[in-house]
Amino acid sequence: EAGVAQSPRYKIIEKRQSVAFWCNPISGHATLYWYQQILGQGPKLLIQFQNNGVVDDSQLPKDRFSAERLKGVDSTLKIQPAKLEDSAVYLCASSVTGENSPLHFGNGTRLTVT
Amino acid sequence: AQSVTQLDSHVSVSEGTPVLLRCNYSSSYSPSLFWYVQHPNKGLQLLLKYTSAATLVKGINGFEAEFKKSETSFHLTKPSAHMSDAAEYFCVVGGSYIPTFGRGTSLIVHP
Repeated sequence: EAGVAQSPRYKIIEKRQSVAFWCNPISGHATLYWYQQILGQGPKLLIQFQNNGVVDDSQLPKDRFSAERLKGVDSTLKIQPAKLEDSAVYLCASSVTGENSPLHFGNGTRLTVT
Repeated sequence: AQSVTQLDSHVSVSEGTPVLLRCNYSSSYSPSLFWYVQHPNKGLQLLLKYTSAATLVKGINGFEAEFKKSETSFHLTKPSAHMSDAAEYFCVVGGSYIPTFGRGTSLIVHP
């Protein structure tokens, strides 16, 4: 089966600019996650979708981050405006259900904010 | 609430010697537990999972983990390390809550 697709692979922007990341999950996977992984740390959940509804976004900095999953398939994560501390790898993952099913990860987008 | 603690930030072994990566968890429910591996500049790959079946779980690449409820542990082991095992390893607790990651353990393998 095709894996989780993410783009772009790398992005460099200046602070206060905006950026968007795209994710296409594995076909048939109802649950989609966006994680932020800062260098040297474990991934931190930003938002979890079940189909096109939000299950958890408690750790999403909503003043600058937004995410959507229109039609319950692919998803976009946006940052506007970016800050230096947003430099990280943004990982998208999907799973069949949101409970005991393992997550399948994309290769991530490495964001550098200068 | 749930949490996971990986007890070592770095583990260094020689090629051919056993590997032990330690993980303790806390969960209000019967947890699902996972180990993932992340090679440099790559996405995370599932090594193995525990979901209330057999307590000794075998995964890919010769790794296995044992669920010990009394010790709230889920340590990852491998009898003989290979150079290609050098990577970052994450213990994850799931189940009724959103998947929560440990901080990671960097496995260093010396020739």
